[in-house]
Amino acid sequence: DTAVSQTPKYLVTQMGNDKSIKCEQNLGHDTMYWYKQDSKKFLKIMFSYNNKELIINETVPNRFSPKSPDKAHLNLHINSLELGDSAVYFCASSAARAAYNEQFFGPGTRLTVL
Amino acid sequence: RKEVEQDPGPFNVPEGATVAFNCTYSNSASQSFFWYRQDCRKEPKLLMSVYSSGNEDGRFTAQLNRASQYISLLIRDSKLSDSATYLCVVVSGGYQKVTFGTGTKLQVIP
Repeated sequence: DTAVSQTPKYLVTQMGNDKSIKCEQNLGHDTMYWYKQDSKKFLKIMFSYNNKELIINETVPNRFSPKSPDKAHLNLHINSLELGDSAVYFCASSAARAAYNEQFFGPGTRLTVL
Repeated sequence: RKEVEQDPGPFNVPEGATVAFNCTYSNSASQSFFWYRQDCRKEPKLLMSVYSSGNEDGRFTAQLNRASQYISLLIRDSKLSDSATYLCVVVSGGYQKVTFGTGTKLQVIP
């Protein structure tokens, strides 16, 4: 059973397009996250949701909009894609907020913007 | 100064060697600390939490030095399967912001 799943695994698209990445966790966790890992392998938090409520938004452009329809899902919609958006996007979840809890990561979505 | 800093390596060590990594952090009020491991083209996975008194899990030992604001990871008797990137993670602030270090790459050589 996959604990944290993401779709699609690979996404290749043209500049200016709008795309979405979906994330689901079946661990019963309250908190979910989106991270971006760039070409230099630096993993940076983008958003954090707790019980469907946004708690962290790390200076991410407005083109990125997370949506959490329920506790088990956190989707990421990106408008007007730019070359610099090319990266691996990881979704993660934890039992409660991050301080004392392990985060479980999805397998990542490799986004390439041409 | 970056929030969380690590030596990127790579650290190339022979099998059986002992290797240590350090990670420094800038926020003295940071609350908790972890080491994650990331294999090539895979997602990060928790290796171990870091407790104030230090903790050990088999061949791995993690330590925290709050006064000097660094955490360390010691790997004894390195195995080929230990080859990976090791990421330190620091959690701080009222909203418990999670900050990853840039990672230290370890390559264990036969």
